[in-house]
Amino acid sequence: GAVVSQHPSWVICKSGTSVKIECRSLDFQATTMFWYRQFPKQSLMLMATSNEGSKATYEQGVEKDKFLINHASLTLSTLTVTSAHPEDSSFYICSAFDSGRAINEQFFGPGTRLTVL
Amino acid sequence: AQSVTQLGSHVSVSEGALVLLRCNYSSSVPPYLFWYVQYPNQGLQLLLKYTSAATLVKGINGFEAEFKKSETSFHLTKPSAHMSDAAEYFCAVSEGTSYDKVIFGPGTSLSVIP
Repeated sequence: GAVVSQHPSWVICKSGTSVKIECRSLDFQATTMFWYRQFPKQSLMLMATSNEGSKATYEQGVEKDKFLINHASLTLSTLTVTSAHPEDSSFYICSAFDSGRAINEQFFGPGTRLTVL
Repeated sequence: AQSVTQLGSHVSVSEGALVLLRCNYSSSVPPYLFWYVQYPNQGLQLLLKYTSAATLVKGINGFEAEFKKSETSFHLTKPSAHMSDAAEYFCAVSEGTSYDKVIFGPGTSLSVIP
């Protein structure tokens, strides 16, 4: 149980295009999901908190108009990188809390490798 | 605000030797603490977590960690390293409320020498 998937696992796009990344909780409901980005050899940087049915909460320094987050259902959150540029190339990881569990524990997706040419 | 420091960005041990990865945290409230492992190009896997129960926490793959409030530490240990333990390890902290955001440390890369 507690499986989180991401799609696609990797994507290459041209500069200026938009890319959508999906994060799904496969066997549980998640009212809260998080989006992280990770540069090579670095730690995970929290980008935003995604809450089902409401606006995402972005961390300081993260452009909300560039990284659009939608959490339309209890099992799906999407991250859209708009007008992508090479500096947006990174490993994007999502995580989700199981709403049915009492203990604070995130379950992580396998990540999406974005390369912007 | 919470924060996490991990002493040593890279640790190298011989196969069969003790593994010790250090983690110190800062939190204004009793924290929840986690250790995660990440293999190349993969997501994170939870090794163990401290949630204010026993201070010595046992996790998967023979790892354990001890919460020491006086030292604000949560060091990860394993008595005998295996080649498959080579990976990136992250210590993380949250404020302990449900669904609260988790802050990650910078990570420690563990190498195991045969």
